[in-house]
Amino acid sequence: GAGVSQSPSNKVTEKGKDVELRCDPISGHTALYWYRQSLGQGLEFLIYFQGNSAPDKSGLPSDRFSAERTGGSVSTLTIQRTQQEDSAVYLCASSLNNEKLFFGSGTQLSVL
Amino acid sequence: GENVEQHPSTLSVQEGDSAVIKCTYSDSASNYFPWYKQELGKRPQLIIDIRSNVGEKKDQRIAVTLNKTAKHFSLHITETQPEDSAVYFCAASKAAGNKLTFGGGTRVLVKP
Repeated sequence: GAGVSQSPSNKVTEKGKDVELRCDPISGHTALYWYRQSLGQGLEFLIYFQGNSAPDKSGLPSDRFSAERTGGSVSTLTIQRTQQEDSAVYLCASSLNNEKLFFGSGTQLSVL
Repeated sequence: GENVEQHPSTLSVQEGDSAVIKCTYSDSASNYFPWYKQELGKRPQLIIDIRSNVGEKKDQRIAVTLNKTAKHFSLHITETQPEDSAVYFCAASKAAGNKLTFGGGTRVLVKP
């Protein structure tokens, strides 16, 4: 693909349900980031993958949040037992050398 | 870890005037400083970056300056136009392969 692809683009779920958000980075990009952005707010760092190194999970807000990256490519962000405060846009970005990040168009998550 | 502070959080300027956004960083080992622009409803995109071996870089109406001694860098937009209205994010990292840390963002509004 030409860019970073995220799915779904929109997700509406009920409070307490689990959700999975997917990110397909640009082929060959070794770095992958997940960010959360609430309306009108900044980029809240969640997790960072770099090659085969252990991920930097320092931004995950609670143990309800987890992420994995299989085969150094596709990444899945999982939110368990969703809460209304989890409602936001979840952005994924990838980079070849951490110098230029390419962002996906995001997943708009709404928790009712 | 690295901490990046960005000011101001909002900036309103008259069309044709200049806009300046300032960022400070905490890790003296940081040597790469990009700026991203996020238009309303769109994904962030890289607009300009600077490395620590130079003090200034220009690209048409935008320029970035870096003061390594003081650990701060700035984005300058001259002759602002309505299409410059967006949220701008600064960032810093040590080197290729190291995590990029973003500032909190500046919402710029250019009034016609």
